[in-house]
Amino acid sequence: SQQGEEDPQALSIQEGENATMNCSYKTSINNLQWYRQNSGRGLVHLILIRSNEREKHSGRLRVTLDTSKKSSSLLITASRAADTASYFCAGSSGNTGKLIFGQGTTLQVKP
Amino acid sequence: GAVVSQHPSWVICKSGTSVKIECRSLDFQATTMFWYRQFPKQSLMLMATSNEGSKATYEQGVEKDKFLINHASLTLSTLTVTSAHPEDSSFYICSAESGGASYNSPLHFGNGTRLTVT
Repeated sequence: SQQGEEDPQALSIQEGENATMNCSYKTSINNLQWYRQNSGRGLVHLILIRSNEREKHSGRLRVTLDTSKKSSSLLITASRAADTASYFCAGSSGNTGKLIFGQGTTLQVKP
Repeated sequence: GAVVSQHPSWVICKSGTSVKIECRSLDFQATTMFWYRQFPKQSLMLMATSNEGSKATYEQGVEKDKFLINHASLTLSTLTVTSAHPEDSSFYICSAESGGASYNSPLHFGNGTRLTVT
């Protein structure tokens, strides 16, 4: 079963603009992770935020987590054409480390 | 960094045949690996958790006799799609955690296998 719902499903912006993607999940989590997938490829880990954290930064990425609303957001600042990809949130729960993925947001950054 | 190698990257097979996909952790040991399936323009669906030295744990709705998983060593898990049919055509991706027993470590993903059953 899917853990998360993401919106928007698709996002198209101009290079230099910021991109914000949102994710909601249903069950309690240990952490929430964001991944990026280029077409037809595997996933690349972007950032992990633990359930006791509220905000985390990594380069041009900023992630927030609101456990009371069971939601998270990913902000990519100063976007580049190379950021064009699909972005997925994934929640980790239990003690197995398995991830349940959201529906994903397809981001297109126009040069 | 931790690298997961998946092989083959693509395979075309005839209906009724079986296909084996390998997932290797190259520079770390993985007690647990995970197998996902992804349809075009959709998200990843967890199929099963592969446990080294024991039986895999399958998600609800996944046929264990159809998708055989073997995790014989700490660096290798295999997924065999038995008696493949066109509806099994999909993108299969494996992943592994390099953080040992920690469940607060990211997963490392292979590059996926595109399976086409004709």
